[in-house]
Amino acid sequence: GNSVTQMEGPVTLSEEAFLTINCTYTATGYPSLFWYVQYPGEGLQLLLKATKADDKGSNKGFEATYRKETTSFHLEKGSVQVSDSAVYFCALSALNTGGFKTIFGAGTRLFVKA
Amino acid sequence: EPEVTQTPSHQVTQMGQEVILRCVPISNHLYFYWYRQILGQKVEFLVSFYNNEISEKSEIFDDQFSVERPDGSNFTLKIRSTKLEDSAMYFCASSPFYTNRGRGETQYFGPGTRLLVL
Repeated sequence: GNSVTQMEGPVTLSEEAFLTINCTYTATGYPSLFWYVQYPGEGLQLLLKATKADDKGSNKGFEATYRKETTSFHLEKGSVQVSDSAVYFCALSALNTGGFKTIFGAGTRLFVKA
Repeated sequence: EPEVTQTPSHQVTQMGQEVILRCVPISNHLYFYWYRQILGQKVEFLVSFYNNEISEKSEIFDDQFSVERPDGSNFTLKIRSTKLEDSAMYFCASSPFYTNRGRGETQYFGPGTRLLVL
């Protein structure tokens, strides 16, 4: 079945460091890929998405490229800020027998130190 | 920008009691979902709903759970007899009609209801 695997956290970085959070997926058909962010005590916010191979999603300095050949969707940001501290979830949405559902990875907690 | 709303934001209940969690999906969306997140764990799919019936449900969604769209705007999740292990954050989500030729659709999530069963 469909699944998402992302790197375990927590990830601790200093402000202005480069961020990579790895994500790989297994899916049948043509999934769309997403990164969601969850700030402390809040709900899930869509950060970015890509709907087909080689698409690059980007938002707020974050970006991720849909790589079908490596089944990956790694999240990157060139210079993190303290305000980026949150849990990041990689996810996919694919059509199955019952319609669409989103499959989430386990989440990666990011701490950014000033 | 339209958004999914959920009420209440927090609910505390006694084990064995019934709870109803309410959601108002985005108005022109046709697909509705419930997910849950036990504290510190991953977000898990519970159920999807389309055209006034359940499309798919997970193993978690047993006979204690039910969903309903009682009117044109609300989408509810009922837990008939709550257990301690039902304590979690429950997220509602909605998505529009298939526009992407079978590719995965973006689901828009509400802020969640934190349920605590004592």
